[in-house]
Amino acid sequence: EDQVTQSPEALRLQEGESSSLNCSYTVSGLRGLFWYRQDPGKGPEFLFTLYSAGEEKEKERLKATLTKKESFLHITAPKPEDSATYLCAVQAGVRSNFGNEKLTFGTGTRLTIIP
Amino acid sequence: DAGVTQSPTHLIKTRGQHVTLRCSPISGHKSVSWYQQVLGQGPQFIFQYYEKEERGRGNFPDRFSARQFPNYSSELNVNALLLGDSALYLCASSLEAGARQFFGPGTRLTVL
Repeated sequence: EDQVTQSPEALRLQEGESSSLNCSYTVSGLRGLFWYRQDPGKGPEFLFTLYSAGEEKEKERLKATLTKKESFLHITAPKPEDSATYLCAVQAGVRSNFGNEKLTFGTGTRLTIIP
Repeated sequence: DAGVTQSPTHLIKTRGQHVTLRCSPISGHKSVSWYQQVLGQGPQFIFQYYEKEERGRGNFPDRFSARQFPNYSSELNVNALLLGDSALYLCASSLEAGARQFFGPGTRLTVL
C-alpha cells in the first residue's frame, strides 16, 4: 500500500527565516509526486509536480526537489502570506488510459510565518 | 476561466439521512475524482470517473456511490450517514492522465 509521511506536523518561522519541509514516500512505481498548498476551509492549490529523482522545480520563494525516497519543499525568506498547510501526494502504479489517477496524500505540514 | 465548482458549500444532516454532493469540472476536463478530508488529515481518495465510467475506487463502504454525467459533471452520494462522515468533500478534475488535478473549494458536511 502506498504511504506518504510528512514532517514536521507544524512549523513556526519568523518572517525571512528559511527552512525545509519533508515528504517521505513508499510506493510501487512512482508516476508523480505532487505538492499542494491548502488554506483553511479551502481546496488544495497546485504547486508542483515532480516525476523523477533529481528533478527540481521553483516558483517564487518555493523550491521542490525529489529523490528516490523523499521530496523536500524549500522555503526561502518566507512571508506571512506563505502561511498555510502544505500537502504532499503521490500517484503510483501502472499508467492506463485515464485510469488509476488516485492521489495518496500525507497529513500535511502546517506552516506559520510570524511577522 | 472558471475553476472546479462544488455545491452546496455547507450542509448539515442527521445520522441515517442521505446526501448528494455535486461537482462541475473545469471546461474541457473529462476526469473527475472525489476525496474526503477529515479535519487535520490529508485528503483520502474515494472515486475517480472518466467518460462516465468508474476508473478507481478507494477504501470506502458501499454507502458511498458516485456517477458522472454526459457533460462530465459528477455527483457523490452517501447513504445512511454516520457521525464519522463529517468532513470536507473535495472534487478534483484533470485534463489528461497523470496531469495535475485541480481541486474545487469543497463541500463541508456536518452530520449530527
